[in-house]
Formats: sequence, C-alpha cells, structure tokens
Amino acid sequence: GDSVTQMEGPVTLSEEAFLTINCTYTATGYPSLFWYVQYPGEGLQLLLKATKADDKGSNKGFEATYRKETTSFHLEKGSVQVSDSAVYFCALVANTGNQFYFGTGTSLTVIP
Amino acid sequence: NAGVTQTPKFRILKIGQSMTLQCTQDMNHNYMYWYRQDPGMGLKLIYYSVGAGITDKGEVPNGYNVSRSTTEDFPLRLELAAPSQTSVYFCASSSRESNTEAFFGQGTRLTVV
Repeated sequence: GDSVTQMEGPVTLSEEAFLTINCTYTATGYPSLFWYVQYPGEGLQLLLKATKADDKGSNKGFEATYRKETTSFHLEKGSVQVSDSAVYFCALVANTGNQFYFGTGTSLTVIP
Repeated sequence: NAGVTQTPKFRILKIGQSMTLQCTQDMNHNYMYWYRQDPGMGLKLIYYSVGAGITDKGEVPNGYNVSRSTTEDFPLRLELAAPSQTSVYFCASSSRESNTEAFFGQGTRLTVV
C-alpha cells in the first residue's frame, strides 16, 4: 500500500544553518506530494506541494523537488530561523485516491 | 474565511463518559477526515467520508463513530471514553479534485481521566 517514510527527529540546528529533512514514498501511479508544518498547539498547515515528477514546490524559503526516480521529496531550506521551529510532516495522496498518507513527523528546533 | 472549524478546543472527560467532537467546513469539500495525534507521534486516520451519507473506517476506528448527514459537518462520537483515547484530534477536508491538499482544523485536545 501507499506509505511515507521521513527522517526521524528531533533535529536541532543553529540559526542560519542549512536544513534537509528526508522523505521517501511508496505509491502506485503518480501521487501528489506535500509538506505540512505544525507549530506548537496548532493544526497542520500546508507548506508546499508538488503534483508531478520534477515539480519543485517552494514557500517561505523552503523547497522540495518531486523525484520519481528516487521516490523522494526532501525538504530543504538554505538558512533556518528560530521561527522555523516546528514539526514537519511529509504526505502523499494518490491521484485516483481520497486518502492522505502522512509520515511520522520531524521535530525541528532552531537555536539562536 | 473560516475553513475547517473544530469545537471544543479542549475537553476533559471521565472514564465511561461520552462526547461528540464537532467539525464543520465551509469550502464545499466532499472529503472529510478525522485523525488522532498522540504525543510525539504522527497522524492516525480514524474515519473518513467521501460525501454526505458515506463514511468508512480508517486505521484506528475502534471506540469511535461518525456520521455525515451534510456536506459541511462531520462529527466524531466517543461513546465510552477510555484513557487510551487521550489525544489531540484533528478534522480535515479536501476537494474531490485530484492533486489538492487537505485543510486542517486547529484540533481538539482531549484528556480522559
């Protein structure tokens, strides 16, 4: 079945460091891929998405590229800020399906 | 622009009590979902619905019930609360169109004592 595997946390970085959170997926067909962010005490918010191979999603300095050959959708940011401290979830939905599959989440803490 | 609205935000229940978590969306989405999130864990799907009158079990449905009488509302019912149901519950919705994201409510933090 469809599934998402993402990098275990927690991750702690200094401000302005480079961030990578790995995400790989298993799916039949051509799923859409998402990164969600959850700030403390809040619900999940869409950070970025990509709907087909080689698409790059980007938002707020974060980027992720849909790599079909490696079934990956790694999240990157060149220079993190304290305000980026949150839990990040990778997710997919099949293009013919109606269920979303989420990774277990990666907690990021950025220290000044 | 309300999106997905959940009530209540917090609730404490005693073992054996029942309650309904409310969820409503104003985006005319066909699909709606209930997830639970345990501390330090990811999201587990409890129930979902693809339209009014249609519901289906997710990964962890035991101890819960749902109904979908309208497109807008998707309440989650706990009949006999147990400590194992202490969690944060999220409702979400999405469009029937392919490649669209899910929109989440702010969550309900439930403690069963």
